[in-house]
Formats: sequence, structure tokens, C-alpha cells
Amino acid sequence: DIQMTQSPSSLSASVGDRVTITCRASQSIANSLNWYKQKLGKAPRLLIYAASSLQSGVPSRFSGSGSGTDFTLTISSLQPEDFATYYCQQTYSSLGITFGQGTRLEIK
Amino acid sequence: QVQLQESGPGLVKPSETLSLTCTVSGGSIGTYYWSWIRQPPGKGLEWIGYIYYSGSTNYSPSLKSRVTISLDTSKNQFSLKLSSVTAADTAMYYCARTISGYCQFDYWGQGTLVTVSS
Repeated sequence: DIQMTQSPSSLSASVGDRVTITCRASQSIANSLNWYKQKLGKAPRLLIYAASSLQSGVPSRFSGSGSGTDFTLTISSLQPEDFATYYCQQTYSSLGITFGQGTRLEIK
Repeated sequence: QVQLQESGPGLVKPSETLSLTCTVSGGSIGTYYWSWIRQPPGKGLEWIGYIYYSGSTNYSPSLKSRVTISLDTSKNQFSLKLSSVTAADTAMYYCARTISGYCQFDYWGQGTLVTVSS
């Protein structure tokens, strides 16, 4: 199956900072990559699909890029509600959908 | 607004079958895929499988031998059965609507915690 590796596993940042999270696939997945945000005790929320398409209702400070094996999620100006755990998800393989291990974004 | 709600026992004994149901409201179960995802306490997300409204299914290779997902369109529900459970199956179980294009999960239930213990 396709392995997804996120980096960093955790990071600390301040409100207003620009933050980038990286997701790397063990083989090419074209643009079959989605991003989710999960706050503690809540279900995940879809942010980005198809690597760079913003889900309806998601603030424009979130953006995604990449194709092939390397992808990034960028938050242009961190807001207090953005401190959460972020997951990437690949949906390229017919053998199954897999997630990255998560990136925990904490307040500095 | 589409809403999903998981229901089922919160405690299952080892070697028994875990059974959960997801009820969809605010929209029809038709024309979409419907998934189950789980998350062990303090850990990451694991996709279990999905079912299309036509009844076709796709399961995670690591769980395939133990998983059955089914659909009841008359009740706007879909269900998960996971057999021969062990403590490793203890997790928060989520159901989610799945969009066919990129298999993105756009609506989620709130989740239900299932503990496997005697």
C-alpha cells in the first residue's frame, strides 16, 4: 500500500504566522491528495481536495499545492481556531485509502 | 444540511462482532459513496472501507477479511460489521459521506467510541 509521511510531526507557531505542512507519498499519486483538520474531541473537517481545491466554506488562508509525491498545506496567517491536528490522505490506490500520521499544530 | 449519526454498542467483547449503523439525514443516500473510518485513542485515522449506493464495496486490505459494509436505502442508513474483534479494534468509529471524484470525506458523523474488553 502507499505510505504517507507528514512533516513535521508537530510544530509550534504564533497567531499571524505563515505555516507549511508537508506530506510525501511513497510513490506517485498524481493529485489524489486531500487535507483535513481535526480539533481535539471532534470529527475531522475537509479543507483541501485534489491537492489544491479549497472545500466550500473553508477560509481562503488555507491552500494546498503539489503533485506526484510531494504536497504542502499552507496556512497564510494563523488564527486561534487553526491550532489543531492536520492529516493528509491519499486516494490514488485502488488497494485502499491511507492517511498520514498527522501534524499537531500548537500555540507558541 | 447533510448530517450523519453513528449508533451501536459502546462495549464489545473480544472475539465477538462489532456492529454499527450510520443514519443519514438532510439528504438522500443515493449517488454517493459512504465510508467508515476509525481512530484509536491518541492515534491517527484509519480508513475501513466504503460502499456505493449501488451496493458495491471496497475495503482496506488489512481489515478485508473481517469487514462487511451494507446499505439500507429505505432507511437512509449504512452499517459496519467487524468480526473477531480484539483490543486493537478499540477506537472512535466515524461514518462519512464520500465524494467519488477524489474520495474526499466531506461530511462526517460525530463519532462513536467502541471499546473491546471482556
